[in-house]
Amino acid sequence: TQLLEQSPQFLSIQEGENLTVYCNSSSVFSSLQWYRQEPGEGPVLLVTVVTGGEVKKLKRLTFQFGDARKDSSLHITAAQTGDTGLYLCAGSSGWKAGTYKYIFGTGTRLKVLA
Amino acid sequence: EAQVTQNPRYLITVTGKKLTVTCSQNMNHEYMSWYRQDPGLGLRQIYYSMNVEVTDKGDVPEGYKVSRKEKRNFPLILESPSPNQTSLYFCASSGLAGAGADTQYFGPGTRLTVL
Repeated sequence: TQLLEQSPQFLSIQEGENLTVYCNSSSVFSSLQWYRQEPGEGPVLLVTVVTGGEVKKLKRLTFQFGDARKDSSLHITAAQTGDTGLYLCAGSSGWKAGTYKYIFGTGTRLKVLA
Repeated sequence: EAQVTQNPRYLITVTGKKLTVTCSQNMNHEYMSWYRQDPGLGLRQIYYSMNVEVTDKGDVPEGYKVSRKEKRNFPLILESPSPNQTSLYFCASSGLAGAGADTQYFGPGTRLTVL
């Protein structure tokens, strides 16, 4: 069974600080997605990375896919209280042996304090 | 508006009483999937479907059934619910090719309690 380990599980920081969330696996993924989930709602996609070594930026968020496509990181610069939420990474098997599965990490709960 | 809808949003039932959670999407997506979310375990894939009449098991399929008779609908069936199926359930859909691939759109969730 493929596993995706996220760290840290919980993070509480002051507004303006920087942070990095990690997503690691021993398996290779076709692509990796990052989602953000608010209480009472479903996850919302932030970004998809598909190429080893790829870096994508979304305003103050920087996403990186590892060269071997086994790991990824999310870096937030100058965190704001609006960044508070549950961050999830998910790996896709892509079209592998006729199946198309997703594996989610356990999540990182971020709280940004004013 | 592009969306995934689930019903009901909240359900309290008793052990053994069959139930169905409906899921519908209006984006003409080929791929649909069901997940359960439990504290400390994240989202785990129950079943998925790559098109009409094509379904396959995810990581935690025991105790669940699905069907995909129409492209837009993907109901989740619990034939004999048990307390360990108490969870938050999400339906999701995505395209399978091009720019839409791997962009999953999630429904609002169904909170199920089995007594």
